[in-house]
Amino acid sequence: QSVLTQPHSVSAAPGQKVTISCSGSSSNIGYNYVSWYQQLPGTAPKLLIYDNNKRPSGIPDRFSGSKSGTSATLGITGLQTGDEADYYCGSWDSSLITVVFGGGTKLSVL
Amino acid sequence: QVQLQESGPGLVNPSETLSLTCGVSGYSISIGYYWGWIRQPPGKGLEWIGSIYNSGRTYYNPSLKSRVTISVDTSKNQFSLKLSSVTAADTAFYYCARNDADYSRAWGPWDTWFDPWGQGTLVTVSS
Repeated sequence: QSVLTQPHSVSAAPGQKVTISCSGSSSNIGYNYVSWYQQLPGTAPKLLIYDNNKRPSGIPDRFSGSKSGTSATLGITGLQTGDEADYYCGSWDSSLITVVFGGGTKLSVL
Repeated sequence: QVQLQESGPGLVNPSETLSLTCGVSGYSISIGYYWGWIRQPPGKGLEWIGSIYNSGRTYYNPSLKSRVTISVDTSKNQFSLKLSSVTAADTAFYYCARNDADYSRAWGPWDTWFDPWGQGTLVTVSS
């Protein structure tokens, strides 16, 4: 059971937009920053978003992050088949005193 | 370009100690940043194990703290993980990563992220 809650899977057609939610509490997302990671099949996770909505160098602006209250959202526009992957959110939990991750969301581009 | 590479045995006997090393290239650990370990059981989600600063100051996941030791060797530009008394539940892909964070700060909000990551190594606990 993950501290951060994500939908198990989402799907959309190529070229469309999809959002992935990440729900937490006041001790993690509600107070601290959120990061997002993309894990392509058989590879290590890769940072997509940090500090709620910042993109590292090299990450296209098709990827965006936002936060409201105790939830965060990853948005992906102009979906490509190469975006098929597992996506994870992460944050610091001030009560548990640990880094917490969501259970991951599998994105299918149909 | 910072690169990380995990190394160590892929098979560990139950009740023994898992030992992994993460070699860092393209960046000197002695300059700064935290350096972390994250694991992922096959087909499951991510779990933070802990992170270390170049000074040797460590922060561990409370659920693993009693069994985990993370150390750093700045002369070799690497850091290591030891996990004792392993069971089959410790079978996982183990990743090392540079960890941008400031765990020592007394006030929040806190930010923490991992970038880049090593390719990961599968450690199986079995006799």
